[in-house]
Amino acid sequence: EVHLLESGGGLVQPGGSLRLSCAASGFTFSNYAMSWFRQAPGKGLEWVSVIGGSGSSIYNADSVKGRFTISRDNSKNTLYLQMNSLRAEDTAVYFCAKRGMGDFWSGDFDYWGQGTLVTVSS
Amino acid sequence: QSALTQPRSVSGSPGQSVTISCTGATNDVGDYNYVSWYQQHPGKAPKLMIFDVSKRPSGVPDRFSGSKSGNTASLTISGLQAEDEADYYCCSYAGSSWVFGGGTKVTVL
Repeated sequence: EVHLLESGGGLVQPGGSLRLSCAASGFTFSNYAMSWFRQAPGKGLEWVSVIGGSGSSIYNADSVKGRFTISRDNSKNTLYLQMNSLRAEDTAVYFCAKRGMGDFWSGDFDYWGQGTLVTVSS
Repeated sequence: QSALTQPRSVSGSPGQSVTISCTGATNDVGDYNYVSWYQQHPGKAPKLMIFDVSKRPSGVPDRFSGSKSGNTASLTISGLQAEDEADYYCCSYAGSSWVFGGGTKVTVL
């Protein structure tokens, strides 16, 4: 059974940093692209970043370019999101999600974690 | 990366059909057959319902169907059931990125 578990969320001051982790199990982690999404309180979904199975393909949303870095450790079946220069508008629940078997840009994220809350506030 | 446009809410009685529209532009919905739909119940993670405009993942009831015409994609729920009450989000490839709609709340009357 596929399982994704995010961790690392919490309260951070504006300008601070945080690293999120997503522990994966139940599938061959290195075979699948993984992505981060976020959802501000009471708002809709927003795509943040995606990384290919080998880690060589990385794309980021304009809203986080230059501040957030996605990475993965296939030996540990873990996805990461390093978040720097955090702003109040980055406050959200952050979800990791596994891509399906479609084309890279298919958008078929078939399994999601339950999310971890990041609050940016002084 | 402009958001896609969805109606804020739609409603229907059990057994009826409802359709949610998702309007984008020529550089997202109109240009690519990479539209997906997600269902989200309160406090829960999103669930993939439709991908590649009209494909259903295994386990998703065939009451859910997707289509696209020009810059507008649609999700239709036939034979509405109480458990279908949730928020629904459309998502489209937009050139090295994905963009979401603002979400539609489906209410089962």
